[in-house]
Amino acid sequence: KQEVTQIPAALSVPEGENLVLNCSFTDSAIYNLQWFRQDPGKGLTSLLLIQSSQREQTSGRLNASLDKSSGRSTLYIAASQPGDSATYLCAVYGGATNKLIFGTGTLLAVQP
Amino acid sequence: GAGVSQTPSNKVTEKGKYVELRCDPISGHTALYWYRQSLGQGPEFLIYFQGTGAADDSGLPNDRFFAVRPEGSVSTLKIQRTERGDSAVYLCASSVYVNTEAFFGQGTRLTVV
Repeated sequence: KQEVTQIPAALSVPEGENLVLNCSFTDSAIYNLQWFRQDPGKGLTSLLLIQSSQREQTSGRLNASLDKSSGRSTLYIAASQPGDSATYLCAVYGGATNKLIFGTGTLLAVQP
Repeated sequence: GAGVSQTPSNKVTEKGKYVELRCDPISGHTALYWYRQSLGQGPEFLIYFQGTGAADDSGLPNDRFFAVRPEGSVSTLKIQRTERGDSAVYLCASSVYVNTEAFFGQGTRLTVV
């Protein structure tokens, strides 16, 4: 059974800092991995999708990497801003099941 | 519409009542997913549709929960005899096909009192 873990559970950084969020999964047979952002009381906003054949994807100040063999992904946020404060969730499409399995998220607070 | 739309945004119901939650996916998306999210947790899978058929309903917690997508577009999640433990945010997502980028709606916050 696929399990997804995100570390740390919460993170507080000063504005301008670069930071890394971690995601690990137990079954490396995945189709792809998707990173989301969730603001309080809101739905999920898709940030990046990495196909299983890819090693990284970039969008603006965000860069996500994927190492399937070790079951890990990282989300790198450059020059963090207070507006980046939110919960960040990673999710994988399992190889045997056509559904997204989510981690519990990392709550990020960027202090002005 | 441009995105996934869920109605209502909030629903308060009494224990034992029946509720329906609606999801309008992005036009042309064949896959539709329902998730449930409790406070401080990641979304938990309930069911997904490929077209009109429920391809995987293994996440539905019991037979009080049922979902339909009769014309391959709009979906309704139905909960009978609601219990206080059903209180959560119910999220809907759609994608062009399964295993492609998923887009979520804003969710329906269900509160059973």
